Amino acid sequence: DAKTTQPPSMDCAEGRAANLPCNHSTISGNEYVYWYRQIHSQGPQYIIHGLKNNETNEMASLIITEDRKSSTLILPHATLRDTAVYYCIVRVAVSGNTPLVFGKGTRLSVIA
Amino acid sequence: DGGITQSPKYLFRKEGQNVTLSCEQNLNHDAMYWYRQDPGQGLRLIYYSQIVNDFQKGDIAEGYSVSREKKESFPLTVTSAQKNPTAFYLCASRKPGQGNEKLFFGSGTQLSVL
Repeated sequence: DAKTTQPPSMDCAEGRAANLPCNHSTISGNEYVYWYRQIHSQGPQYIIHGLKNNETNEMASLIITEDRKSSTLILPHATLRDTAVYYCIVRVAVSGNTPLVFGKGTRLSVIA
Repeated sequence: DGGITQSPKYLFRKEGQNVTLSCEQNLNHDAMYWYRQDPGQGLRLIYYSQIVNDFQKGDIAEGYSVSREKKESFPLTVTSAQKNPTAFYLCASRKPGQGNEKLFFGSGTQLSVL
């Protein structure tokens, strides 16, 4: 699975959009980009995933660059409850049940 | 409600003692995983199981043991051989399907050494 690079921390004002970047320059054609988040002292929670096209769900939007070497997770209107560690993971599409690898992620602090 | 349950939420271990962390899921998932998380760090894989009666070591399996006798249950034993067991332990299960890496996590167990 391709390696990812994320900034260790970011701040965002409450009500503003939070844009979390992820670099995955060695991604291959059959690898998806996944995002999870972990609120303090809880288990990680799935947010969204995508292959090539931009994706949106009730939690967030995922923007993947045309060359697929980077992506951005967008929380359109951040709230204090969005304060968490966000993990970007790259994964082959057909991988069986072998485990996901979680790096250190980005610690997002939403400020009132 | 379907979900994955870990117990206890907090656990204390004495020197030389084995302790077992419980993980139960009613999601009908085949695959289950145990991760360890130290403060300010990412998750590290201890063991995983893709099917009943089968499991594989992860990156940091030394000092831990698991069993998978039932689909719903994947308990983790922290043995006395694990010299630095204080950490947050997370259990997860995976929804089946190609290209669908949606993991469902429990709420974790914080293990501390007395």
